[in-house]
Amino acid sequence: AQSVTQLGSHVSVSEGALVLLRCNYSSSVPPYLFWYVQYPNQGLQLLLKYTSAATLVKGINGFEAEFKKSETSFHLTKPSAHMSDAAEYFCAVSDRNYGQNFVFGPGTRLSVLP
Amino acid sequence: DTEVTQTPKHLVMGMTNKKSLKCEQHMGHRAMYWYKQKAKKPPELMFVYSYEKLSINESVPSRFSPECPNSSLLNLHLHALQPEDSALYLCASSQHGTGENTIYFGEGSWLTVV
Repeated sequence: AQSVTQLGSHVSVSEGALVLLRCNYSSSVPPYLFWYVQYPNQGLQLLLKYTSAATLVKGINGFEAEFKKSETSFHLTKPSAHMSDAAEYFCAVSDRNYGQNFVFGPGTRLSVLP
Repeated sequence: DTEVTQTPKHLVMGMTNKKSLKCEQHMGHRAMYWYKQKAKKPPELMFVYSYEKLSINESVPSRFSPECPNSSLLNLHLHALQPEDSALYLCASSQHGTGENTIYFGEGSWLTVV
């Protein structure tokens, strides 16, 4: 069974600093990969997804993620954090072979300090 | 229009009450989902409907009863709930199954069981 880990349940950065949120998956076949964001008291919104086209994926709000098969990783980055980026971020994987197998990571809470 | 609409936004119910959560999407999606989310945790899958048929039930207690009246609507009937069932309930939809398809989430219904 595939799984996904997110290193760091809580990450704090200063406004204007680089944001790096880590995601690693375990799967024998590279899965489809997603990053979702959840702002306080809201549902989840897709930031970006990897479906085996370009390994560097650009998403909304200035975020991007790079798929690295050798590292089984799909880390999320943003060059310059904004206060409005403070939220919970979930990495998720979807199995290429089984249409209903969609697994969320535990999440990383991003705080942005002024 | 990429929107999943959930009602009510907030619900308080007693342990002997019967209530329902409602979800609607008009994106032509044929897969719909119910997730449960506790504070500081990722969403947990409860049910999946695919082409209006229940395809996944993740061992959810029978006090939760899903219903898919048509391809646009999804209900979750609640009866004899326990205080530990208090959570954010998220409805979601995707074009077909998961795989590379994006899952679109609603804003959620906050349920408090007293």
